[in-house]
Amino acid sequence: DTAVSQTPKYLVTQMGNDKSIKCEQNLGHDTMYWYKQDSKKFLKIMFSYNNKELIINETVPNRFSPKSPDKAHLNLHINSLELGDSAVYFCASSQIGLAGGSTDTQYFGPGTRLTVL
Amino acid sequence: LAKTTQPISMDSYEGQEVNITCSHNNIATNDYITWYQQFPSQGPRFIIQGYKTKVTNEVASLFIPADRKSSTLSLPRVSLSDTAVYYCLVAPVETDKLIFGTGTRLQVFP
Repeated sequence: DTAVSQTPKYLVTQMGNDKSIKCEQNLGHDTMYWYKQDSKKFLKIMFSYNNKELIINETVPNRFSPKSPDKAHLNLHINSLELGDSAVYFCASSQIGLAGGSTDTQYFGPGTRLTVL
Repeated sequence: LAKTTQPISMDSYEGQEVNITCSHNNIATNDYITWYQQFPSQGPRFIIQGYKTKVTNEVASLFIPADRKSSTLSLPRVSLSDTAVYYCLVAPVETDKLIFGTGTRLQVFP
């Protein structure tokens, strides 16, 4: 019944490794997002996809590559992990995204805590 | 995008009404005001949204004065479970890009 789910919940890995975080929403929403919350609790948007099309791409290193196989899934792949990538990553979805703008409620997943050693 | 300013933290006791004020002096005509709540180890959750005057739902009320340069989130009779970080966001209706500030950490004591 979870609306927006993420796996894994915790991810501990070594520097230089490649890892992926998966996100799925069962709300039938058209738009999905990835956010990063750092150790100081600042929550920043990274990407958004609408119907599998990249809409928002903030200033994020190109080691981060989102992939949307279908509109219910938005996975985040990270290459060559660095210490500074340690954070909590949240996936979110909204019904229509840009078309609804800021009036379109975003639903967040439980987060994935990534720790890079 | 309009910049928001809100208190870093607030303390309250169970059963009290809590009002968290957010300043957004450069709010634009097409900006909406939205509040999200984040519990520890969870993602943010939408609480309420408004454009002007007063909005009320089952969780909270949002008061917006006529000049819209500030807004106040009102939580009636808080309980321990309302301990969370509350974010005030201001964004134009044309964008779904949410900018989260530092938020207000509300601690409710028994």
